[in-house]
Amino acid sequence: AQSVTQLGSHVSVSEGALVLLRCNYSSSVPPYLFWYVQYPNQGLQLLLKYTSAATLVKGINGFEAEFKKSETSFHLTKPSAHMSDAAEYFCAVSDRGNTGFQKLVFGTGTRLLVSP
Amino acid sequence: DAGVTQSPTHLIKTRGQHVTLRCSPISGHKSVSWYQQVLGQGPQFIFQYYEKEERGRGNFPDRFSARQFPNYSSELNVNALLLGDSALYLCASSLNSNTDTQYFGPGTRLTVL
Repeated sequence: AQSVTQLGSHVSVSEGALVLLRCNYSSSVPPYLFWYVQYPNQGLQLLLKYTSAATLVKGINGFEAEFKKSETSFHLTKPSAHMSDAAEYFCAVSDRGNTGFQKLVFGTGTRLLVSP
Repeated sequence: DAGVTQSPTHLIKTRGQHVTLRCSPISGHKSVSWYQQVLGQGPQFIFQYYEKEERGRGNFPDRFSARQFPNYSSELNVNALLLGDSALYLCASSLNSNTDTQYFGPGTRLTVL
């Protein structure tokens, strides 16, 4: 079975500081990995995804994530936080559709708080 | 192009009632997936449909059912509602069922009293 662990239910940073949101995964097969963002009372927006083409994945809004197989990690970073980055962030894993369908397994989320 | 749309936005029901939630995928997408997001948690997979057939089902009771129509839109039905069914129900569409990125709609907030 696949699973995702997001370390830290809340992360607080100052505007302009580095953002680091942690995600570790467990998968018996090479995974696809995703980061989604959810703003209050909205659905999920895809930030970026890893599908094995490159270990460093660049996404929207200046975010990027690095796949590290040896550490089973897929941490999300942004060099400089902006007030508009305040939201809930979800890491997700899938099994590349080996079962005939794609089920996303999500972590419990990390709420990013950005202070002026 | 329009994204994934869901209706209604909000819904209030009482225990024991039945509810139907609707989803229209992005134009050209043939697969629809449903997720339940309880407050404070990540989304949980309920179903995936592709070309009108159920391709996958999560760990949910038989009270939950779904279908996909010829135009690829989908309905999620929940019978005999329980208080614990209160959640945000998210629909996601993708080109295919196996590997393509899933794009999420804004969700339907269901409150069961």
